[in-house]
Amino acid sequence: DTGVSQDPRHKITKRGQNVTFRCDPISEHNRLYWYRQTLGQGPEFLTYFQNEAQLEKSRLLSDRFSAERPKGSFSTLEIQRTEQGDSAMYLCASSSSTGISYNEQFFGPGTRLTVL
Amino acid sequence: QKEVEQNSGPLSVPEGAIASLNCTYSDRVSQSFFWYRQYSGKSPELIMSIYSNGDKEDGRFTAQLNKASQYVSLLIRDSQPSDSATYLCAVHSGTYKYIFGTGTRLKVLA
Repeated sequence: DTGVSQDPRHKITKRGQNVTFRCDPISEHNRLYWYRQTLGQGPEFLTYFQNEAQLEKSRLLSDRFSAERPKGSFSTLEIQRTEQGDSAMYLCASSSSTGISYNEQFFGPGTRLTVL
Repeated sequence: QKEVEQNSGPLSVPEGAIASLNCTYSDRVSQSFFWYRQYSGKSPELIMSIYSNGDKEDGRFTAQLNKASQYVSLLIRDSQPSDSATYLCAVHSGTYKYIFGTGTRLKVLA
């Protein structure tokens, strides 16, 4: 299967701990997005990469959140000093800027974070 | 005003009926429009994309776009209980930004 993958699928942590999530996009996709989704809401944009460059980060995102995409392949999202309000589903999506599926975003299965 | 608006539902339709889901958006320069299906506890799954005014059909699904009215809809024909899910509308404005609505919950009654 060549879809978007995310790891871990579930993470339970205690308040104050750091967590890191990984996303592997569809191999030919140059664009990668991180979103956060809470119950009853649509995905909320966190950050965007085109290849290895982080081109945009939500103003709503605190400094405790950081993301990387070394070499334009997989990406990691780190949350430092987690808070209970960080509990959510963290979604990764990828898309291509060319081709017949131009601009179509495909989501990974998500990482569900629970902060106790 | 929210950038992408959807009625949260639930929208209940009997099995075999047509389900009609609606979405309005505020950014007039929006260029690409997407419908996603999301089952409870799962991630969104792309079901339709539409870029031009008019209708686009794919199996039991038809997306309709009216840029002048800033309106996009999704019709599901011959609705099945397995179609019961939340349907998310997403709008792309030509930059990096995709804006999602809060979704409409559809219930197909057997």
